Amino acid sequence: ELKVEQNPLFLSMQEGKNYTIYCNYSTTSDRLYWYRQDPGKSLESLFVLLSNGAVKQEGRLMASLDTKARLSTLHITAAVHDLSATYFCAVVNTDKLIFGTGTRLQVFP
Amino acid sequence: ETGVTQSPTHLIKTRGQQVTLRCSSQSGHNTVSWYQQALGQGPQFIFQYYREEENGRGNFPPRFSGLQFPNYSSELNVNALELDDSALYLCATGEDLNEKLFFGSGTQLSVL
Repeated sequence: ELKVEQNPLFLSMQEGKNYTIYCNYSTTSDRLYWYRQDPGKSLESLFVLLSNGAVKQEGRLMASLDTKARLSTLHITAAVHDLSATYFCAVVNTDKLIFGTGTRLQVFP
Repeated sequence: ETGVTQSPTHLIKTRGQQVTLRCSSQSGHNTVSWYQQALGQGPQFIFQYYREEENGRGNFPPRFSGLQFPNYSSELNVNALELDDSALYLCATGEDLNEKLFFGSGTQLSVL
């Protein structure tokens, strides 16, 4: 059974700092997604990563995928308060998404 | 705005009751998946429908059932509600299998 693990589970960081969230998964998959979720809200799609070595960037967020290591990273550059949210990675397995446990990010001044 | 609408947004039920949650999507979205998200957890896959047929099911008991209609709407039915069914229920639709999914805003179900 495919398992998806994220770490850290909780991240409190100061504005302006950099940090990386890690997503490990247990079996091969051809797609990995990153989502953002604000409290009480639905999921907002951030990135879709389709191949080994894929890197995508949007604003202060950059996601990468290493399919050989079964590892994806979400790097945050110069964090701002608006990035405070929970971030999920999700891996495709036979047409369904298997989500990680989520990383709750809090950015403080 | 994803074009996926769920109703109701909030619902309170008592244990043992039955509930129906609804989802409508954009025209041409042939797949719909339902997910359960308990507080502080990631979403868990319930099942998926493709062109009105069930196309995959997660680890949920038979009292969780669904339907997909020709007009791109769908339902999630839960019978004999239990306290642990309290969660945010998300529907996600896509044009075809293996295509990008668009999530609705969810229905927050509380079972008392």
